[in-house]
Amino acid sequence: AQKITQTQPGMFVQEKEAVTLDCTYDTSDPSYGLFWYKQPSSGEMIFLIYQGSYDQQNATEGRYSLNFQKARKSANLVISASQLGDSAMYFCAMTSGGGADGLTFGKGTHLIIQP
Amino acid sequence: EAGVVQSPRYKIIEKKQPVAFWCNPISGHNTLYWYRQNLGQGPELLIRYENEEAVDDSQLPKDRFSAERLKGVDSTLKIQPAELGDSAVYLCASSPWTSGENTDTQYFGPGTRLTVL
Repeated sequence: AQKITQTQPGMFVQEKEAVTLDCTYDTSDPSYGLFWYKQPSSGEMIFLIYQGSYDQQNATEGRYSLNFQKARKSANLVISASQLGDSAMYFCAMTSGGGADGLTFGKGTHLIIQP
Repeated sequence: EAGVVQSPRYKIIEKKQPVAFWCNPISGHNTLYWYRQNLGQGPELLIRYENEEAVDDSQLPKDRFSAERLKGVDSTLKIQPAELGDSAVYLCASSPWTSGENTDTQYFGPGTRLTVL
């Protein structure tokens, strides 16, 4: 079984500051993928970034980067220069075992960017 | 390129009534997923299709839920009869299944918000 833990139910951050959203995971499978999704109030899950368990470098996508620490089983999302439009729910998720398995999600972090 | 399409966006029904949700995945994506998201929680997988075959339905409450993907493209999820606890957002996602590895990103539709009264 696999598990995702997000320990920050909510965060308030000033606009233009960097923010780190925490995510720890648990799986016994050596091959897995880690994902972050953004869910604004409209409800759609928007894919942000992916990190594979065998990737040597941390993934980056524009203002998003994933701080992958395999030994600690953590996959924190870093948003640089936060913007008001970043206010949303953020979910960490994973899949493992190969194939196109369903994602296991954490409970999410509600991020609010303040002007 | 069009994203995952779902309809309806909102549905309000009384308990014991049937309800159906429709999903059209991204063109060319042969893997389709249905998730349920309860308030304040992350989505949970209900069923996964590879083409027209349901390859993982272990989390689908089969006494009242059913799903189909007859031609391996669009899919319908049905609840009959609905219960108060079924109130949730039902999300559909698709992925291309390019390699069978964990790299296949799932792309989600806007969801259907179901309210059972």
